[in-house]
Amino acid sequence: NAGVTQTPKFRVLKTGQSMTLLCAQDMNHEYMYWYRQDPGMGLRLIHYSVGEGTTAKGEVPDGYNVSRLKKQNFLLGLESAAPSQTSVYFCASSLLAGLTDTQYFGPGTRLTVL
Amino acid sequence: DAKTTQPNSMESNEEEPVHLPCNHSTISGTDYIHWYRQLPSQGPEYVIHGLTSNVNNRMASLAIAEDRKSSTLILHRATLRDAAVYYCILRDTIQGAQKLVFGQGTRLTINP
Repeated sequence: NAGVTQTPKFRVLKTGQSMTLLCAQDMNHEYMYWYRQDPGMGLRLIHYSVGEGTTAKGEVPDGYNVSRLKKQNFLLGLESAAPSQTSVYFCASSLLAGLTDTQYFGPGTRLTVL
Repeated sequence: DAKTTQPNSMESNEEEPVHLPCNHSTISGTDYIHWYRQLPSQGPEYVIHGLTSNVNNRMASLAIAEDRKSSTLILHRATLRDAAVYYCILRDTIQGAQKLVFGQGTRLTINP
């Protein structure tokens, strides 16, 4: 039982390049989330998914797209990377989204955009 | 979003209790108080949550004030592995229970 895994762990991009971050969970969770964390700050929600085939915008969605084609996977795409997207990206999942449901986080992807 | 206020940093010694405070004066009656922590170079992990009554689990205790405007996370006997940033988070139905709104948290340093 690996929990939440993220691929890759590190990536360096040039401005304008594109990439996709992959998140996978093996807990059969319905909800999945993408957050970003800038230095010295708390996490901010980018997009989330309430189930296979559905996505919704979070607090800071601009410049990102997401897809949830399979229940266990949640992809975060950057179509044209910008230096402002340099950050650590965390994926999370939860069984449901009730007030007492726990979110389980992956180890993070450190992205640098030059 | 209902806001929380935490000290930026705290320091304690190994094997001593640690009390991490959180103020949430605008909390509503249905808001749950959650605590997560983030160890260095890792993703956040759940610690504990509560609504009105004090709560205990294997990691920590949560003491909630009678008026619910503040709470305290208690680590009964801190170890070096407890050094982390601790986040106090309110979850409510109005903003969407799926949201975890992270502030800057409290950076806890444990001295050997």
